[in-house]
Amino acid sequence: GQSLEQPSEVTAVEGAIVQINCTYQTSGFYGLSWYQQHDGGAPTFLSYNALDGLEETGRFSSFLSRSDSYGYLLLQELQMKDSASYFCAVRPYQAGTALIFGKGTTLSVSS
Amino acid sequence: NAGVTQTPKFQVLKTGQSMTLQCAQDMNHNSMYWYRQDPGMGLRLIYYSASEGTTDKGEVPNGYNVSRLNKREFSLRLESAAPSQTSVYFCASQDSQTYEQYFGPGTRLTVT
Repeated sequence: GQSLEQPSEVTAVEGAIVQINCTYQTSGFYGLSWYQQHDGGAPTFLSYNALDGLEETGRFSSFLSRSDSYGYLLLQELQMKDSASYFCAVRPYQAGTALIFGKGTTLSVSS
Repeated sequence: NAGVTQTPKFQVLKTGQSMTLQCAQDMNHNSMYWYRQDPGMGLRLIYYSASEGTTDKGEVPNGYNVSRLNKREFSLRLESAAPSQTSVYFCASQDSQTYEQYFGPGTRLTVT
């Protein structure tokens, strides 16, 4: 089967840099995605890594290493509005188009 | 452009009652999904539909049925609600080019 492991909580201060790791066990997948969810809201897409390496989108970057079964989301210049839950997700080969999500990491940013 | 819409936003049911959660998307996506989200459990896939006319079970399908009515609409039915089905339900559709999933606002269901 597939499983994704993320830390349950991370805390940081405004202006800092934080890295949220995602380790996975899956027999094969198309890519690793990251989603953000504010309290009471719907998840929204942040990034997708189809290939190994770093993808950068503004203050957010995402990294994938298939050989290490590992990925991370890097958030720079943290702002209070970045306080949210962050989920990694994979699309396994055998699951068709479906995504399997990790349990999420709650990021709390303080001033 | 409404994206993904869900109705109702809130619902309270008694054990044994039935109901259908409605979902529609206006982005012409082929794939649609139903998830449930419980505290500390992340998003768990209930059912999905890779294209109009097809549906497949996800991780937690027991107690649910789905219908892909047409390309736009994908409904989730609880035939006999149980307290264990108290949860937040999200519908999503997926862009087949970017693999980005777009989520609806969710339905908060309480079964007493």
